[in-house]
Amino acid sequence: DMKVTQMPRYLIKRMGENVLLECGQDMSHETMYWYRQDPGLGLQLIYISYDVDSNSEGDIPKGYRVSRKKREHFSLILDSAKTNQTSVYFCASSLKGGNTEVFFGKGTRLTVV
Amino acid sequence: KTQVEQSPQSLVVRQGENCVLQCNYSVTPDNHLRWFKQDTGKGLVSLTVLVDQKDKTSNGRYSATLDKDAKHSTLHITATLLDDTATYICVVGDRGSALGRLHFGAGTQLIVIP
Repeated sequence: DMKVTQMPRYLIKRMGENVLLECGQDMSHETMYWYRQDPGLGLQLIYISYDVDSNSEGDIPKGYRVSRKKREHFSLILDSAKTNQTSVYFCASSLKGGNTEVFFGKGTRLTVV
Repeated sequence: KTQVEQSPQSLVVRQGENCVLQCNYSVTPDNHLRWFKQDTGKGLVSLTVLVDQKDKTSNGRYSATLDKDAKHSTLHITATLLDDTATYICVVGDRGSALGRLHFGAGTQLIVIP
């Protein structure tokens, strides 16, 4: 079953706390992504990972970092969360070439208070 | 600057009616265009991908067109069902590889009423 799994689905954190969002995929995809979705805006790319330990900044990387130690797992870390990082975060994965299909997780709704 | 514009922002139709969603973009280069369906509180699910300069696809009640000269795409939904209620997102890929970027529209919210 082709799946991208995100944990947790909902999270409330206080400003200044650290946040760990986890993502897993069972398709052996090389490429994985972290996006955030805010009302009225298209998804914005935070980080992209081309394979284990091969990560690149997206369009809005400030305040975030990532870790990919295994091909099937990609983590998003917020060190000292800020209220403007309240958003819905989506993880996605794809094969590395061509106009290949991108598979999305169900999202993590993060609220920073 | 928004490079992918979708219209209308929202749309209400009665079950059984047809509808058309529009996507205009300025992304260059434009390697491919994909339409996604996003149910409330869920992830994005791919409906179709368009690749050619002038392309058409069909997937059940969903059909789509792409005109790269006009940088314009349409998504047609025929005989809408209540389950079609969702946000439909247009995404333009600027390269045919993962090295490229995906450019997302903000989506059209479709509500199908009985």
